[in-house]
Amino acid sequence: GENVEQHPSTLSVQEGDSAVIKCTYSDSASNYFPWYKQELGKGPQLIIDIRSNVGEKKDQRIAVTLNKTAKHFSLHITETQPEDSAVYFCAARWASYKLIFGSGTRLLVRP
Amino acid sequence: DGGITQSPKYLFRKEGQNVTLSCEQNLNHDAMYWYRQDPGQGLRLIYYSQIVNDFQKGDIAEGYSVSREKKESFPLTVTSAQKNPTAFYLCASSTSEVNTIYFGEGSWLTVV
Repeated sequence: GENVEQHPSTLSVQEGDSAVIKCTYSDSASNYFPWYKQELGKGPQLIIDIRSNVGEKKDQRIAVTLNKTAKHFSLHITETQPEDSAVYFCAARWASYKLIFGSGTRLLVRP
Repeated sequence: DGGITQSPKYLFRKEGQNVTLSCEQNLNHDAMYWYRQDPGQGLRLIYYSQIVNDFQKGDIAEGYSVSREKKESFPLTVTSAQKNPTAFYLCASSTSEVNTIYFGEGSWLTVV
C-alpha cells in the first residue's frame, strides 16, 4: 500500500554541522514531496517542497534532493542552528487531495 | 490575518461524550483536511473535503464525523465510538490544485 518511511527517528548534531533526513516512498506515481517542520505544541509548517520533474531544490540553508529511480528524497540542512531543533516530517502525494506522511525525525542541535 | 484557525486549543472530554473541534480558514482554499497526530507517529488522515457539501473518509475515519456546509469551515466531531480519542488534531487546507497544504495550530483533546 501507500507508504513513506523516514529515517532516522532522532538526530543529534553539533551547531554548525549538517543534518540529513531521508525518506523512501512506495508508489512511483507520487509527484510532489513537501517537508514540514513542527515545533512543540504547534502545527507543521512547510519549509521546502519538490516536484517529480526536479532533482534538487535549495532555499538558503535548506535543500531537498529527489531520486525518482530509487524512490527516495532527502532533506539537507547546512550550518545548523539551535532554532533548527524541531520535528521534521516528509510527505508524498498520491491521489490529488491526499498526502502520506513519514513518521517524523526529531532533530536536536547542540549549542 | 490570513490563515487557519482551530479552536479550542485544549479540550477535555468525559468518556461517552461527543465533542466538536472547530476549523475556519480565510485563505479561500477549496480543500480542507483533518489529521490526527499521536506521539512518535506521523500524521494520519481522518477526513478530507475537496468542495462544499462533499467529503471523503481518510485512513482512520471510524469514530469521527465531519460536515462542510461552508467553504471556510470544516468542523470535526469526535464521537463516543472513537476508542482512543486522546490526541493532537490538526486541520489543514489547500488550493484545488493541491500542492501545498497549510496547517492550523492544532487542538489537544484529552479524554478523562
